[in-house]
Amino acid sequence: AQSVAQPEDQVNVAEGNPLTVKCTYSVSGNPYLFWYVQYPNRGLQFLLKYITGDNLVKGSYGFEAEFNKSQTSFHLKKPSALVSDSALYFCAVSRDYKLSFGAGTTVTVRA
Amino acid sequence: DVKVTQSSRYLVKRTGEKVFLECVQDMDHENMFWYRQDPGLGLRLIYFSYDVKMKEKGDIPEGYSVSREKKERFSLILESASTNQTSMYLCASSPDSSTDTQYFGPGTRLTVL
Repeated sequence: AQSVAQPEDQVNVAEGNPLTVKCTYSVSGNPYLFWYVQYPNRGLQFLLKYITGDNLVKGSYGFEAEFNKSQTSFHLKKPSALVSDSALYFCAVSRDYKLSFGAGTTVTVRA
Repeated sequence: DVKVTQSSRYLVKRTGEKVFLECVQDMDHENMFWYRQDPGLGLRLIYFSYDVKMKEKGDIPEGYSVSREKKERFSLILESASTNQTSMYLCASSPDSSTDTQYFGPGTRLTVL
């Protein structure tokens, strides 16, 4: 079965510091991995995805993610966090056209 | 830009009522999805449709049914609402393949009293 895990419920960082949101996956075959963000009272917005190729994927709003096959991880990163990055982040893996989501990580960036 | 709209942002219903949640997408996408979102559980797939009149159960279909009579519209039906169906419901659509991005609507927060 395809699944992802987000080991941290919450991540707190100071504005200007690097931000990392962790995700590990368990899949059979090639993994198709996604990151989404949800701002308060909004739907999910797509950030980036890994399908194949370069292990470093760049996405929206200055975010990037590194695919690591040996560690089965797909961590989301931002070099310098903003207060406006405070939101709920979801990692997901695609299986037969459907997405399986992690439980989500709440990111709080303090000024 | 892809636009996915949902008929209501907030809905309050009583136990036993029949509830309809509507979703419309404007990008001619083949696939449409209904998820529910609960704190600490992430999003869980209720039903999925890969073509008009075609549907497939997701991970938690019990207590729900769906209808897709037109390509752009995907309805979620709670035949007899129960309090444990109080949740945020999110609709999504995607073009065709497993690598395609899903695009989400703003969500409907349903409260069943």
